[in-house]
Amino acid sequence: AQKITQTQPGMFVQEKEAVTLDCTYDTSDPSYGLFWYKQPSSGEMIFLIYQGSYDQQNATEGRYSLNFQKARKSANLVISASQLGDSAMYFCAMREAQFYFGTGTSLTVIP
Amino acid sequence: EPEVTQTPSHQVTQMGQEVILRCVPISNHLYFYWYRQILGQKVEFLVSFYNNEISEKSEIFDDQFSVERPDGSNFTLKIRSTKLEDSAMYFCATAGEDAWVTGELFFGEGSRLTVL
Repeated sequence: AQKITQTQPGMFVQEKEAVTLDCTYDTSDPSYGLFWYKQPSSGEMIFLIYQGSYDQQNATEGRYSLNFQKARKSANLVISASQLGDSAMYFCAMREAQFYFGTGTSLTVIP
Repeated sequence: EPEVTQTPSHQVTQMGQEVILRCVPISNHLYFYWYRQILGQKVEFLVSFYNNEISEKSEIFDDQFSVERPDGSNFTLKIRSTKLEDSAMYFCATAGEDAWVTGELFFGEGSRLTVL
């Protein structure tokens, strides 16, 4: 079974609007971490946000928030007030003993 | 801000040649990883390294691949006899002890390998 599933290969959003990128995960380990990384066209991986499995509140970092629904095993990324520079690939990842990555979602912000 | 550095940024090689990709981790980090990303595809785990030994490896990491930390600083990935399908971006990533709390894995900028 896939550890991380991202079902949206591509998403479009209007500039200044909010967008949600979906991520579901599969683990039986009670202790794990969930992450989102951004990969712009230049290729580097940029850490965005982290949610620990025991964290009670959803993580937020500026315009990024992680909608953590533990029972549903989902960890969706919400980007508020989209900017043109947000256009990139976004990868959801999970840490158990090691880090597993999803297949990514390509986000395009339309002016 | 401390960073993970990788060399070379791009290497072109002939099929069957050996390639060594180098990574300088952040100085107090203890966990080291290699990932690869074939163009347009997902990031795939290759191997993790802790306490001078491999802690986990994927099925991609066959006998053609090896890792070592020869001088206590550089962390290298060697591909003994490259194949066309080894063409990819190879990312080194490192984490400190607090990664299990902060969650952050630090990536290098990647080494693009092109096998002809």
